[in-house]
Amino acid sequence: DADVTQTPRNRITKTGKRIMLECSQTKGHDRMYWYRQDPGLGLRLIYYSFDVKDINKGEISDGYSVSRQAQAKFSLSLESAIPNQTALYFCATSDGSGYTFGSGTRLTVV
Amino acid sequence: LAKTTQPISMDSYEGQEVNITCSHNNIATNDYITWYQQFPSQGPRFIIQGYKTKVTNEVASLFIPADRKSSTLSLPRVSLSDTAVYYCLVGDQGGSNYKLTFGKGTLLTVNP
Repeated sequence: DADVTQTPRNRITKTGKRIMLECSQTKGHDRMYWYRQDPGLGLRLIYYSFDVKDINKGEISDGYSVSRQAQAKFSLSLESAIPNQTALYFCATSDGSGYTFGSGTRLTVV
Repeated sequence: LAKTTQPISMDSYEGQEVNITCSHNNIATNDYITWYQQFPSQGPRFIIQGYKTKVTNEVASLFIPADRKSSTLSLPRVSLSDTAVYYCLVGDQGGSNYKLTFGKGTLLTVNP
């Protein structure tokens, strides 16, 4: 099993719908992150969490929310999806010595 | 957060050594330098990390001069499967606010 698992792998949703992307990890790391990647661009940080009670906004948090349900679980929600949120989303964990990324969720908002 | 600058793209041929240089003029005392590799539609993968001088592992070497304002990732004898985007990042891994900022990276294309 993968160290960092993201579900779903692919998702197509309609504008205005609420959607949740889930991430779970078996690394035992306290730090978890959500990034977004658009074609030809680097990864941009959406939200991050350093423990269950800690949630921090990244550089592009507008339109997104997160929930840290447990040390191993960190979910990302789009309350009302819009087409420009079409992107590849990555979850990552860290123990401070580097990141471990999931395989990504490809989200298309139509 | 320290800003990094690296070439947008590089071309190489199988069997050659590839050196990708990254500048980080504003690197802080506690910052480490980390390189990641990303294949299309996959998450970035950790390659190597260092603080100063030289670090080597089974995949690559990382050269960091004394002033730490730049670093060079060296990939020995590349193959076609090394075609990927390579990201250079700096950050205080032990800091209470540790998070990494990814730039656009360097697209390395290895030709036959």
